[in-house]
Formats: sequence, C-alpha cells, structure tokens
Amino acid sequence: DTAVSQTPKYLVTQMGNDKSIKCEQNLGHDTMYWYKQDSKKFLKIMFSYNNKELIINETVPNRFSPKSPDKAHLNLHINSLELGDSAVYFCASSSFGHSYNEQFFGPGTRLTVL
Amino acid sequence: GQQLNQSPQSMFIQEGEDVSMNCTSSSIFNTWLWYKQEPGEGPVLLIALYKAGELTSNGRLTAQFGITRKDSFLNISASIPSDVGIYFCAGQSSSNTGKLIFGQGTTLQVKP
Repeated sequence: DTAVSQTPKYLVTQMGNDKSIKCEQNLGHDTMYWYKQDSKKFLKIMFSYNNKELIINETVPNRFSPKSPDKAHLNLHINSLELGDSAVYFCASSSFGHSYNEQFFGPGTRLTVL
Repeated sequence: GQQLNQSPQSMFIQEGEDVSMNCTSSSIFNTWLWYKQEPGEGPVLLIALYKAGELTSNGRLTAQFGITRKDSFLNISASIPSDVGIYFCAGQSSSNTGKLIFGQGTTLQVKP
C-alpha cells in the first residue's frame, strides 16, 4: 500500500483557475509537508502542519492555502493560478521525535498552467 | 536564506565504478539526510545522519556527517544501472521544526 499518496498525479489547467491537490498518509505520522520542485529539480519547502497546526509557512504567495482536516490529510488549494506555478508539488510526512527529519515523500503532482 | 552546495551537478559513469558526491553549507547542520529521486517519483530516503563524524552504510551506500557539521558526503560502491537517478542531500539546522534545506541534486547516469 502506498504510504503517502497524492491526487491527482497530473493537473493541467488554465491561468486564473483555482485548483486543489490532495494528500493522505497512512503511516500514522503527525506532521505533513508541501514542497515545490521547479524545472531545475530544486526542492523547496512551502508549508508544514503538525497535528493540524501550521508550523512552517515559507514565503509563499497567499494564493496558496494549505488545509489539514485531520493529521492524516493535508490538502493544497491554489487560487488564481499563474504560469509560474507550474511545477511538481510533493507532499511528505514525518513523525515528531528523534527521526523527525526522516520525511517520506508522495509520488508528486505535476501541475501545468497554460 | 540557508543554502546547500551539492557537487558534482551530474555524473556519467561506467557500471562497476564507485561514485562520490558531497554537500557543503556555510552554516552548521544538526541533521544530514540523503535522498534518491527516480523519474516520475518522489524522493526516497537513503540514509539519515544525526551526529558529527557519524559514518553510516546502507548496502553499497555509505554517508558521513562531517566533523565541522557543515558538510556530508555520499559514496556508492560498485555502481549498477538501477543506481540511476537524482541524489539529494538535505540538512536541518534550526530547532526541531522539521524544516529541511535541500541541495541542488546530483544526477547520476550509469552506463552498462
């Protein structure tokens, strides 16, 4: 079974649209993350939630809004999509404690904004 | 912001060769991790390092946490075609927020 899953795998949309990406983990972790990977493969953290509480909020446009309905889910909603939002978005999770930094990644969602 | 310099950027080697890549930082890190990403997939954790000087192996992979806490290296011995992918170092320097800083990645290609 997939430990960290994301839907959809691919998302193609027009500029100005609003879209959501969903993430679920069945590892029992209490912390979840969203990362953005650009065309040069550079990975940068965007947000993280611990037990549904926002703990990392990097310099991300406020068009991006994470939502954590419970600690197994962290969704990413993006308003008014722009061309520069095209990237691969990865969800990840980890468990607070000694191995907190051992983050497990989902398969990614490739977002293409036309 | 904090940055990790990872080198080399890419490597093209013959099957059976050993590979070495490293990451350096201008600031101290408390944790170093090495990930591998294959096309169309998310990064997969290979090795995690928590103490300065620590040397850890995972099969043909060996990684070390530098004594200065500002660098780490990953070695792959006797490379095989399935080693192909992008290898990322990642570090965590601040208090336990889980925020990882990633290197730019090393793309490895192995010729059979």
